Amino acid sequence: GESVGLHLPTLSVQEGDNSIINCAYSNSASDYFIWYKQESGKGPQFIIDIRSNMDKRQGQRVTVLLNKTVKHLSLQIAATQPGDSAVYFCAEMPGGTSYGKLTFGQGTILTVHP
Amino acid sequence: NAGVTQTPKFRILKIGQSMTLQCAQDMNHNYMYWYRQDPGMGLKLIYYSVGAGITDKGEVPNGYNVSRSTTEDFPLRLELAAPSQTSVYFCASRPSRTTGGGRLFGAGTRLSVL
Repeated sequence: GESVGLHLPTLSVQEGDNSIINCAYSNSASDYFIWYKQESGKGPQFIIDIRSNMDKRQGQRVTVLLNKTVKHLSLQIAATQPGDSAVYFCAEMPGGTSYGKLTFGQGTILTVHP
Repeated sequence: NAGVTQTPKFRILKIGQSMTLQCAQDMNHNYMYWYRQDPGMGLKLIYYSVGAGITDKGEVPNGYNVSRSTTEDFPLRLELAAPSQTSVYFCASRPSRTTGGGRLFGAGTRLSVL
């Protein structure tokens, strides 16, 4: 769901379940999308990326889906583990000479219960 | 220690004081970025640099200055600190525009202005 300010969307899952984290992006000209994981007290860590000419990309235990029609991005985590607990951010980048300037979404808190 | 190093990790400033947040990377990356992250929010770009001697403003540059005299270092200067600058500051780097948007982040500097 949508949230503003301090009220980040949250997702709680049991260990072993699959998780789906959603993100609505704003710029239809965005050419590149990235998912980051941020653990408490640390900087964001790259998870997976996807270009606008793709609609799906898979990594190790993670899949990113892109729906340009509705400007929606999702991150699927298979067999979620307690170590996956973190805040997950999507980020978008326009094409052209943007010098890699990313616009970050607000983030989703994922909590994995053993 | 390959990576992005930020110092200090924590700092408390009084209103009106100034300080420099240090960022160094030893990977010979051309592109470097400064972001701030307010509680419960995504990252916002303050300044970026595409190489030594070249810097430009991001989304929220007011109250900050940067310089890039070497490839390795990208310090962020706060002049006349204000409570609105209380935040966590992240520095990031990546090799060049053609390698996509994923970038390596430092561990952050937590700044409080009281």
